[in-house]
Amino acid sequence: DAGVIQSPRHEVTEMGQEVTLRCKPISGHNSLFWYRQTMMRGLELLIYFNNNVPIDDSGMPEDRFSAKMPNASFSTLKIQPSEPRDSAVYFCASSLGTSSGNTIYFGEGSWLTVV
Amino acid sequence: SQQGEEDPQALSIQEGENATMNCSYKTSINNLQWYRQNSGRGLVHLILIRSNEREKHSGRLRVTLDTSKKSSSLLITASRAADTASYFCATDKGGSEKLVFGKGTKLTVNP
Repeated sequence: DAGVIQSPRHEVTEMGQEVTLRCKPISGHNSLFWYRQTMMRGLELLIYFNNNVPIDDSGMPEDRFSAKMPNASFSTLKIQPSEPRDSAVYFCASSLGTSSGNTIYFGEGSWLTVV
Repeated sequence: SQQGEEDPQALSIQEGENATMNCSYKTSINNLQWYRQNSGRGLVHLILIRSNEREKHSGRLRVTLDTSKKSSSLLITASRAADTASYFCATDKGGSEKLVFGKGTKLTVNP
């Protein structure tokens, strides 16, 4: 099993540019999560999907952030326009099933730096 | 706001000693999970304890849960340098699939 695959692993971009982060969940998993990790705020849930449908996007910081899941094997998190305060590690994760108690499997993260 | 809060924020011990980390949460839960994160890597699931359980073991890990105090502890026995990592508790906030993580305890095990 390849695990959750994220790309890019590292990205440095200039303020104002569009950033697109990509995720391939584990095959067969029904739920997909996007988290953001910073020193100050820890690990924050941005949005999660069940069966490709966004269920809770209350953690999305503002309209500059958007996430899509066009099919069961692919999701994107887009930031447009990016700002320096968006610098963080963005994790995609997936789990089997739609109830609590499921193990969440994390990708290795996308390290974003906005200068 | 964070559902789970770990304590201490950082812990440094010698190899062979036991490490205890605590987690407190605010609302009712169905289960609580502990995860580990090595530097620069993603989080990895360690153990899950359900709200009707009080204690659970997995290898050198022992987790306790006290729902009356809304707290949990993770004990790592006979620690090794390879246990150096950050440890997070995560709660499901009333049974939803949405997991909320604390800020973690950074454990350093010195050889």
